[in-house]
Amino acid sequence: EPEVTQTPSHQVTQMGQEVILRCVPISNHLYFYWYRQILGQKVEFLVSFYNNEISEKSEIFDDQFSVERPDGSNFTLKIRSTKLEDSAMYFCASRPGREDSPLHFGNGTRLTVT
Amino acid sequence: EDQVTQSPEALRLQEGESSSLNCSYTVSGLRGLFWYRQDPGKGPEFLFTLYSAGEEKEKERLKATLTKKESFLHITAPKPEDSATYLCAVQAKYGGATNKLIFGTGTLLAVQP
Repeated sequence: EPEVTQTPSHQVTQMGQEVILRCVPISNHLYFYWYRQILGQKVEFLVSFYNNEISEKSEIFDDQFSVERPDGSNFTLKIRSTKLEDSAMYFCASRPGREDSPLHFGNGTRLTVT
Repeated sequence: EDQVTQSPEALRLQEGESSSLNCSYTVSGLRGLFWYRQDPGKGPEFLFTLYSAGEEKEKERLKATLTKKESFLHITAPKPEDSATYLCAVQAKYGGATNKLIFGTGTLLAVQP
């Protein structure tokens, strides 16, 4: 069964450094998402991406964050200058075009900012 | 504001002891309610979608039901491999074309042999 894959599984970085989290969504999916989960808290929406542009973003997704789909398969989340509070699990998700279709999640990247 | 509340936060069952998890929601028009299972260190794994009050879906030992205010995930004769965190999420009808999910905090289920 096709799945969403994310790399790396764990990333450690120093405060102020840039990180890029990578995702390969399911190939025939049209909508792409990033969510994050701080330890012990809810899974929170960050941003959605459709037709090569951001379609919606949350208050968390400020100017330090950006997303890109550089080719037909990869979907990336960049954090320009990481803060301690960016430490979390970051999940990529994708879904087909049908409105009522469920999101399929990857296994996440654990980001630790020291 | 759209909101999802799950209870209990944690539930410990003996193998074979049936129970239910609750998901209460407040949303400005429900497009869909989703149940996911999350194992430690993994991403949420899709279980069910429910769209309208009265709807029920079943998969093995799990059955999900929906009313206008809440959803239940019934677990019949659970096994240790059912141990996981169960997440409920809603999709608002007026939440924009991207249909983002709003999650609850989950119920951590532990099934002891």
